Amino acid sequence: GENVEQHPSTLSVQEGDSAVIKCTYSDSASNYFPWYKQELGKGPQLIIDIRSNVGEKKDQRIAVTLNKTAKHFSLHITETQPEDSAVYFCAPSEETSGSRLTFGEGTQLTVNP
Amino acid sequence: DTAVSQTPKYLVTQMGNDKSIKCEQNLGHDTMYWYKQDSKKFLKIMFSYNNKELIINETVPNRFSPKSPDKAHLNLHINSLELGDSAVYFCASSVREGGPYEQYFGPGTRLTVT
Repeated sequence: GENVEQHPSTLSVQEGDSAVIKCTYSDSASNYFPWYKQELGKGPQLIIDIRSNVGEKKDQRIAVTLNKTAKHFSLHITETQPEDSAVYFCAPSEETSGSRLTFGEGTQLTVNP
Repeated sequence: DTAVSQTPKYLVTQMGNDKSIKCEQNLGHDTMYWYKQDSKKFLKIMFSYNNKELIINETVPNRFSPKSPDKAHLNLHINSLELGDSAVYFCASSVREGGPYEQYFGPGTRLTVT
């Protein structure tokens, strides 16, 4: 099965700074790389995803970069705001595994005003 | 317009009791899931149903029994509750099986077993 590790487990930044969370996976067949955001008291929500035929994807202040050779992908958040404070999960998967997502352990991001 | 809803939001019960959590999605999705999130925020899939048919059944004790009366509903019944069952349980749905596709999560049910 897929082994997934996220680093760091906690991250504290000042408002306006950038934040980077890295996800390392073990299954070289993985070809779908999403990031989910979980706010306090809510369920996780997909914020960005990338497939293996693309190296980078950007959506306003968030971006995901993929290094398939090294088997890791990263979430980048620029100009952080207090509402970015949440737990972020990566969930790499392989298309033929269907709907099975293996979530990382999560990264608690705190943005200090 | 709630996409994925769960009831109850909080559930406090004693060891040995039997309880159910209900989930409904109004997105027209074919596939629904149950996840367990422990106190360390670790999120693990328990079950997946596609159009009322069980497709994923992780190594979950058989005290947990999912039931899908139709593709918009997936309920979770738990028998003989134990202290270790205390967690937040999330229901989710996706447009269909395979993909993978975005999963839409409900707000969670916090189960506390005393």
